[in-house]
Amino acid sequence: NFMLTQPHSVSESPGKTVTISCTRSSGSIASNYVQWYQQRPGSSPITVIYEDKQRPSGVPDRFSGSIDSSSNSASLTISGLKTEDEADYYCQSYDSSNVVFGGGTKLTVL
Amino acid sequence: EVQVVDSGGDLVQPGGSLRLSCVASGFSFSSFWMQWVRQAPGKGLVWVSRINHDGTTTDYADSVRGRFTISRDNAKNTVSLQMNSLRVDDTAVYYCARDVSLDNWGQGTLVTVSS
Repeated sequence: NFMLTQPHSVSESPGKTVTISCTRSSGSIASNYVQWYQQRPGSSPITVIYEDKQRPSGVPDRFSGSIDSSSNSASLTISGLKTEDEADYYCQSYDSSNVVFGGGTKLTVL
Repeated sequence: EVQVVDSGGDLVQPGGSLRLSCVASGFSFSSFWMQWVRQAPGKGLVWVSRINHDGTTTDYADSVRGRFTISRDNAKNTVSLQMNSLRVDDTAVYYCARDVSLDNWGQGTLVTVSS
């Protein structure tokens, strides 16, 4: 089984851009799609990126996703940060018999 | 509107059993994988189990394999998680979610395993 590793926390100021990484431990990051979820305290997760870089309807275009095969990682970038973006963010991927979440990154907008 | 509503959480003693249910609406239920994910208090998301569209394929996390069983009833738009031999470390909010990409989540149901 592979693992997905995220930074424990990141912080940035309103209006700035932040990038959260998600590194796959074994197997290619490109072999299975990566999803990203936002979870605010006391709420269920919501999808902000699916299939590496697709954005669900209703998610602002300030949110973008990408993968980098050279570093075997995926990234979530949030531009024009707003205080409402403060939340936990999780990456997720899968293989033929397993689904894996990253440990989560706490984003603080201060 | 796509909706996923999970229920069945309760307080149960170690070694006990519990059955969670998830009712879906607003989409063609029989066309989608369904999954269960849990979150222990103050911790991250952990995948539990998944089932394919017609119930012929099921997968489990190592921590629950042999104790939990996922099933579905496409006539009732329902997916269930039968949890046996519950342990204290199974305490968590359990979420039902749609599809391989987990694109729609339930509100969560709390399972507390304690004596």
